Amino acid sequence: DAGVIQSPRHEVTEMGQEVTLRCKPISGHDYLFWYRQTMMRGLELLIYFNNNVPIDDSGMPEDRFSAKMPNASFSTLKIQPSEPRDSAVYFCASSPGTAYEAFFGQGTRLTVV
Amino acid sequence: GQQVMQIPQYQHVQEGEDFTTYCNSSTTLSNIQWYKQRPGGHPVFLIQLVKSGEVKKQKRLTFQFGEAKKNSSLHITATQTTDVGTYFCAGGDGNKLVFGAGTILRVKS
Repeated sequence: DAGVIQSPRHEVTEMGQEVTLRCKPISGHDYLFWYRQTMMRGLELLIYFNNNVPIDDSGMPEDRFSAKMPNASFSTLKIQPSEPRDSAVYFCASSPGTAYEAFFGQGTRLTVV
Repeated sequence: GQQVMQIPQYQHVQEGEDFTTYCNSSTTLSNIQWYKQRPGGHPVFLIQLVKSGEVKKQKRLTFQFGEAKKNSSLHITATQTTDVGTYFCAGGDGNKLVFGAGTILRVKS
């Protein structure tokens, strides 16, 4: 397996635009996590899914953020409209279960200007 | 909600010196995991501790889980330049992992 695959690796967009980040988890992993990393706030859990169902989205900063997992092999994190303070590295991670290690993707570095 | 505190935020050591980072949870954990993130990279799993008082070693790295399962530590003996990066602990509550803020380690050669 190629590991967790995220796209794009880098995204630069203008304030107000919609941004969609994509993630392909490792096949067979039931859990998928979206994290955001900034210098100020560290690694924050935004939302996680179990068997494609969102379980906890309490970390989603506001209504501008939404995440979906239409099937076991694909998830998206959407920001609409984007703001400069959304600039961060967004990581997707998958895991076979909560008692197992999380495998992280390479991350998407988002810059909103 | 569950919070995981990690100290220190940053440590700069001379190559060959030891290094320790500490992790404290506001709630009792079911497990704790440690990750390392190299500069520009992504977090990579190092180890998981599950049992109260558990101690595990990986070469120069020693991991401990407290008796109350609310704290943990990572100790590196005789640091090397390859140890640079950010070390995260992540506390599991049975449902999700909550990461500490991480400790940035810099090693002077």
